Amino acid sequence: NAGVTQTPKFRVLKTGQSMTLLCAQDMNHEYMYWYRQDPGMGLRLIHYSVGEGTTAKGEVPDGYNVSRLKKQNFLLGLESAAPSQTSVYFCASYRASTDTQYFGPGTRLTVL
Amino acid sequence: KNEVEQSPQNLTAQEGEFITINCSYSVGISALHWLQQHPGGGIVSLFMLSSGKKKHGRLIATINIQEKHSSLHITASHPRDSAVYICAVGTGNQFYFGTGTSLTVIP
Repeated sequence: NAGVTQTPKFRVLKTGQSMTLLCAQDMNHEYMYWYRQDPGMGLRLIHYSVGEGTTAKGEVPDGYNVSRLKKQNFLLGLESAAPSQTSVYFCASYRASTDTQYFGPGTRLTVL
Repeated sequence: KNEVEQSPQNLTAQEGEFITINCSYSVGISALHWLQQHPGGGIVSLFMLSSGKKKHGRLIATINIQEKHSSLHITASHPRDSAVYICAVGTGNQFYFGTGTSLTVIP
């Protein structure tokens, strides 16, 4: 099992560019999450999904879109990147039976 | 507003010391989680608690639901315990996270 993987690991964008972050899990989990982690702040929820084809907004959804076309994949899109979106992005999947989240290794994004 | 507060923010200990990290929360929860984030950035789940106490090796986690408070204890601390420890609470479909406690254990 690879667990939760994220692509890419690092990315530098210019303001206004777009990109998609890919999260994949091979544990057949229904729930998946996208978080951002900024210095001095806890992880903050951007969007989440409770199953294939469903998504919902979290605490800080503005400037991001997501899609969950397949159960194993959760995509996070930035349509027009802004410097305020410079952050480390973590994806997680959730096993309800043990109430445990499994985190990906993170993507470090810099927007210039 | 912070749904989850941790203390201390930073902690330096000598190897072998007993360490306590505290977490208070202000929302109704289904469970409380303790996570560990190593310098490389990876995050792993240490404990999930809904009541009482759990022990895993040198780590002990307790929760007091009435007081909305949890503690993470590390006995006989070791330099490899150096990491950021994060408290998180689950409420329905969402999770809220504390800002973390950065622990450094000096040999």
